[in-house]
Amino acid sequence: GAGVSQSPSNKVTEKGKDVELRCDPISGHTALYWYRQSLGQGLEFLIYFQGNSAPDKSGLPSDRFSAERTGGSVSTLTIQRTQQEDSAVYLCASRARWGESSYNEQFFGPGTRLTVL
Amino acid sequence: LAKTTQPISMDSYEGQEVNITCSHNNIATNDYITWYQQFPSQGPRFIIQGYKTKVTNEVASLFIPADRKSSTLSLPRVSLSDTAVYYCLVGPSGNQFYFGTGTSLTVIP
Repeated sequence: GAGVSQSPSNKVTEKGKDVELRCDPISGHTALYWYRQSLGQGLEFLIYFQGNSAPDKSGLPSDRFSAERTGGSVSTLTIQRTQQEDSAVYLCASRARWGESSYNEQFFGPGTRLTVL
Repeated sequence: LAKTTQPISMDSYEGQEVNITCSHNNIATNDYITWYQQFPSQGPRFIIQGYKTKVTNEVASLFIPADRKSSTLSLPRVSLSDTAVYYCLVGPSGNQFYFGTGTSLTVIP
């Protein structure tokens, strides 16, 4: 079946503008993660959604960052008033529901490369 | 959140076996050990996962000692296409996984 998709693949914006990044998880996956990866660095956890539970926002670096997940499926990561240090690849991953054989595996999308000029 | 420590980089010749060791001294009882592979401009891809002893699949083996404070990913007979960054994860700790900076493996012809 289809994997995790993300859009846009690349986004160039000017400092101070708002951006929205979209993630379409694998159908039926209840968990969804957002990560940020700066050049040459590992993945930095941002936010986690699980079903209808309140999201774990503990990784969001500032209040300029927010995310929502509508209908337990598609998620949007919004960055307001972008700064140059926000430039990075933003990765989304989804995970199967408890009890499925792939429960402990995260399936990643290709990422969105954000460049803030 | 259990953090991991891996070598920053490794080189290997084609056809050789490569072993990448990861330290995770603060692993919790419920934590699994998972390895991911990442190519440039792609998201990480699951390779293998284990809890204790040895796990083997079609691409790799994972060795975990009894104390579970470390683990070793073994890639048999690497090829040029195995050049990538390899991440060792321990978790989930709550909802989070710690990816660290990974090990950059370069396979040399």
